[in-house]
Amino acid sequence: GENVEQHPSTLSVQEGDSAVIKCTYSDSASNYFPWYKQELGKRPQLIIDIRSNVGEKKDQRIAVTLNKTAKHFSLHITETQPEDSAVYFCAARGEDDKIIFGKGTRLHILP
Amino acid sequence: DAGVIQSPRHEVTEMGQEVTLRCKPISGHDYLFWYRQTMMRGLELLIYFNNNVPIDDSGMPEDRFSAKMPNASFSTLKIQPSEPRDSAVYFCASSSSGGPIDEQFFGPGTRLTVL
Repeated sequence: GENVEQHPSTLSVQEGDSAVIKCTYSDSASNYFPWYKQELGKRPQLIIDIRSNVGEKKDQRIAVTLNKTAKHFSLHITETQPEDSAVYFCAARGEDDKIIFGKGTRLHILP
Repeated sequence: DAGVIQSPRHEVTEMGQEVTLRCKPISGHDYLFWYRQTMMRGLELLIYFNNNVPIDDSGMPEDRFSAKMPNASFSTLKIQPSEPRDSAVYFCASSSSGGPIDEQFFGPGTRLTVL
């Protein structure tokens, strides 16, 4: 089955700097890669996603890149703000429609 | 739509007791997922349903766990007997296969504490 690895587990960046979170997946048939943000005590919520037929997708300060050959994808947050502090999860969905999540990255934005 | 609804929001029980968690998916969604979240193991998929039928329950940890979806608007996750290591936040999520959006919408979660 699919296995998703996520790094780093914790990331601290200065406000205004960029943050990058990286994930790898094992199933070459996976075709959909969402990213979820979970604020403390709240539910995970989708912030951006990418399909396997696209290499990059942007939405304001966040972007996701996908390298199908290497089976890795990354989340980029630019001009970080205090409200970006949260846990971020990457995920991959295979042909069986199961979405497997990475272990999460706790992002701290330092003032 | 009110989104995915879960109840109870918090449950404290003693070891050995039966626990039932409930979920109402978003109307019209044909997929329902149960997840367990802990600090150590992250967000684990326990089981998911498509059109009320269990598709994959390989994530269910033990026979003490069972899940049902008697109709399109209701699902339960039952733990019997409960153990302290079952303490976690349990999320239900739903999604629709019918359109361009693949987003899973999560419920608020049930925080379970087994003493």
